[in-house]
Amino acid sequence: SQTIHQWPATLVQPVGSPLSLECTVEGTSNPNLYWYRQAAGRGLQLLFYSVGIGQISSEVPQNLSASRPQDRQFILSSKKLLLSDSGFYLCAWSAIIAKNIQYFGAGTRLSVL
Amino acid sequence: GIQVEQSPPDLILQEGANSTLRCNFSDSVNNLQWFHQNPWGQLINLFYIPSGTKQNGRLSATTVATERYSLLYISSSQTTDSGVYFCAVGRSWDTNAGKSTFGDGTTLTVKP
Repeated sequence: SQTIHQWPATLVQPVGSPLSLECTVEGTSNPNLYWYRQAAGRGLQLLFYSVGIGQISSEVPQNLSASRPQDRQFILSSKKLLLSDSGFYLCAWSAIIAKNIQYFGAGTRLSVL
Repeated sequence: GIQVEQSPPDLILQEGANSTLRCNFSDSVNNLQWFHQNPWGQLINLFYIPSGTKQNGRLSATTVATERYSLLYISSSQTTDSGVYFCAVGRSWDTNAGKSTFGDGTTLTVKP
């Protein structure tokens, strides 16, 4: 069966520091991958999605970037964190043949201080 | 982009009560999912239901795509049903990715 791993679970970082969040999927090949951010009390906002290695689409302008160095690995990065980058970050995947059904990781709570 | 509106924003029930959560969306979609976010933040898939009706135990969902709404029914609610329920919709006819727009959710509290 397929599983999705996301780490770390929580992270506290100072303003101006770099960021790297990692997401990996097991048990499937060539998945679509997604990064979402959830602000407190709100729904999820799609940040990036990828349909293949090296293929990244950005949905909103921001201080973050994403990369997909391997088929089942998706990384969210920042060179210098801002206070406004705080939030709950979730990675998701969907199968190519069932692209509309997304499955989510456990998320990373990021606090930028 | 598509607008998604969920109602009510908050709902408090006694254990055993039934409830109906609503999701309205502003444009035609071919992708609709209902999720339950537990207190630890994990999003749990409930239904993939771009149209029609589905049931899974005490939960059922109906989507009337032509009228642009979906309903989630919870019967005989339990305290473990507490959390936030999200509706997510998308239009993916012209893309390989199943991009979704989320509503702001309904926060359900079930009291013992």
